[in-house]
Amino acid sequence: DQQVKQNSPSLSVQEGRISILNCDYTNSMFDYFLWYKKYPAEGPTFLISISSIKDKNEDGRFTVFLNKSAKHLSLHIVPSQPGDSAVYFCAASGGSGNTGKLIFGQGTTLQVKP
Amino acid sequence: EPEVTQTPSHQVTQMGQEVILRCVPISNHLYFYWYRQILGQKVEFLVSFYNNEISEKSEIFDDQFSVERPDGSNFTLKIRSTKLEDSAMYFCASRREGVGEAFFGQGTRLTVV
Repeated sequence: DQQVKQNSPSLSVQEGRISILNCDYTNSMFDYFLWYKKYPAEGPTFLISISSIKDKNEDGRFTVFLNKSAKHLSLHIVPSQPGDSAVYFCAASGGSGNTGKLIFGQGTTLQVKP
Repeated sequence: EPEVTQTPSHQVTQMGQEVILRCVPISNHLYFYWYRQILGQKVEFLVSFYNNEISEKSEIFDDQFSVERPDGSNFTLKIRSTKLEDSAMYFCASRREGVGEAFFGQGTRLTVV
């Protein structure tokens, strides 16, 4: 039951260019979406989030776009830096009796080449 | 900056043994969670805890698992009789009241041999 999907296991971009990571979801009850960054042997680190009442949220180099009709969100990183190389997880929460649990996608490994 | 801390960072245990994974959530947070990540797979929700009781649990969280908040600061996950398939990274997370992001600890790598 893959309610949150990240169809690209990996992405490689050149330093200074834009990185676009994609995520699709199936559960229309989700109302809050998050992106986490993860390095090996560390816990997920929160990057940016978006509520379902918005279609865009920006924080510095990071922008998240939400297309509710398509049940799709994306994370844009501009400009990409070598330190951005990590695994990026999309996560979603929501629904009745929401306890705040997060449903994660499989992750996308981003490599930013100098 | 406040953070979620987990101990130990790595635990090796014999199959059938009990293990307790420990977490200290961020002090003013009210929601607590355990997640796990089997090697090469996605992060999976195990259980959420609020107001001193389990608020939701996944199918993974069977009778072998239990959680406890024994005092005002610690949050523990106990696995009563470990199985080989329990080998994974276990992450504790906490969240403040209202809508917002969860903050994760650095994880405990559990290896069952």
